[in-house]
Amino acid sequence: KNEVEQSPQNLTAQEGEFITINCSYSVGISALHWLQQHPGGGIVSLFMLSSGKKKHGRLIATINIQEKHSSLHITASHPRDSAVYICAVSPDYSNYQLIWGAGTKLIIKP
Amino acid sequence: ETGVTQTPRHLVMGMTNKKSLKCEQHLGHNAMYWYKQSAKKPLELMFVYSLEERVENNSVPSRFSPECPNSSHLFLHLHTLQPEDSALYLCASSPYQGSGGPYNEQFFGPGTRLTVL
Repeated sequence: KNEVEQSPQNLTAQEGEFITINCSYSVGISALHWLQQHPGGGIVSLFMLSSGKKKHGRLIATINIQEKHSSLHITASHPRDSAVYICAVSPDYSNYQLIWGAGTKLIIKP
Repeated sequence: ETGVTQTPRHLVMGMTNKKSLKCEQHLGHNAMYWYKQSAKKPLELMFVYSLEERVENNSVPSRFSPECPNSSHLFLHLHTLQPEDSALYLCASSPYQGSGGPYNEQFFGPGTRLTVL
């Protein structure tokens, strides 16, 4: 079993729909990261959080430390949101390492 | 130029070639990373440098050789690669704060798409 599990692996939705991507982890962490990767490769950090909730534009990330679970929400989804969304955690036993989820491929149809 | 840059963006090489990937960061960070991303697999950490010293090497084959001449530049020297080494190679940097400090987010370059024939 992977230490970071994401669901779903693939998600296709219509423009305007509310999107939720989930991440569960099994190790102690100092932080959890949500990142976005567009076709072509570049990865962009969306959020880094260790408790509660963060919001940036139409993106919201939440984390429940007790349940070892995080969600990424996209409100009013748009075709430009189509990308791979990756969850990664900073394990509390390393200052450098990130443990990566496999990613969720999101397609938003117009 | 700002952020993290990588060159070349695409590289095709034969199994007997020697080539190098270059990464440069303009963010004033002092930790740099090489990752490998193969199709449908999570990112794999290859090397970590902090203050120009290698601090982690995740059992990477010796045909991959990193070099970090200063805190802004990172190279990955490639020789006698195998077709299974074809992948996207990503460089990242972070403002590492030292032992006991909070972990900071990593900033990624656009990657080099490597094809080994």
